[in-house]
Amino acid sequence: SQQGEEDPQALSIQEGENATMNCSYKTSINNLQWYRQNSGRGLVHLILIRSNEREKHSGRLRVTLDTSKKSSSLLITASRAADTASYFCATVINAGKSTFGDGTTLTVKP
Amino acid sequence: NAGVMQNPRHLVRRRGQEARLRCSPMKGHSHVYWYRQLPEEGLKFMVYLQKENIIDESGMPKERFSAEFPKEGPSILRIQQVVRGDSAAYFCASSPQGPNNSPLHFGNGTRLTVT
Repeated sequence: SQQGEEDPQALSIQEGENATMNCSYKTSINNLQWYRQNSGRGLVHLILIRSNEREKHSGRLRVTLDTSKKSSSLLITASRAADTASYFCATVINAGKSTFGDGTTLTVKP
Repeated sequence: NAGVMQNPRHLVRRRGQEARLRCSPMKGHSHVYWYRQLPEEGLKFMVYLQKENIIDESGMPKERFSAEFPKEGPSILRIQQVVRGDSAAYFCASSPQGPNNSPLHFGNGTRLTVT
């Protein structure tokens, strides 16, 4: 079973609205990362949050981590059509591999 | 500084042939990872290598699949006697340090089609 699972599977919003995606995981982690993938391309790293951090910001992105609930959220504020992509969370356990969920497909309508 | 380079971008093989996928990590990166992605799905881990050593190959099928990252040259993912089920996008990623400390930098993938 997946270590990280994103929710919802698909999200469609209007330009200017905020988009929130969630990631739940099963076992304790060292860090959690969010990535973005445009169609036909490789993943691009967005934010890495460590297990002792609760919140990180990068531009219009805000990531939170709740280790007690084993969950993380990615908030994109003031969304743009160019934000349309799939978003994945990845977890790292004990210096091992990064394990990815199946992603949230975000569509931002102009 | 060039990113992670994968080639070829598209590869078509007939059943039973061999597929060789190449990955040149970013300059200064000694950690390489291979992932497989089916349409509408996430990335499935295959193997993690660090210069000449396989660190974790828990995601590699036991047969037909092998990976190497030699001292000189690109990392190679080799699939022998391909079958239709091997059709997928294969992504390589690299990092300067291990997964605990640095995010992954991905290439744009090789799309393998087995006919």
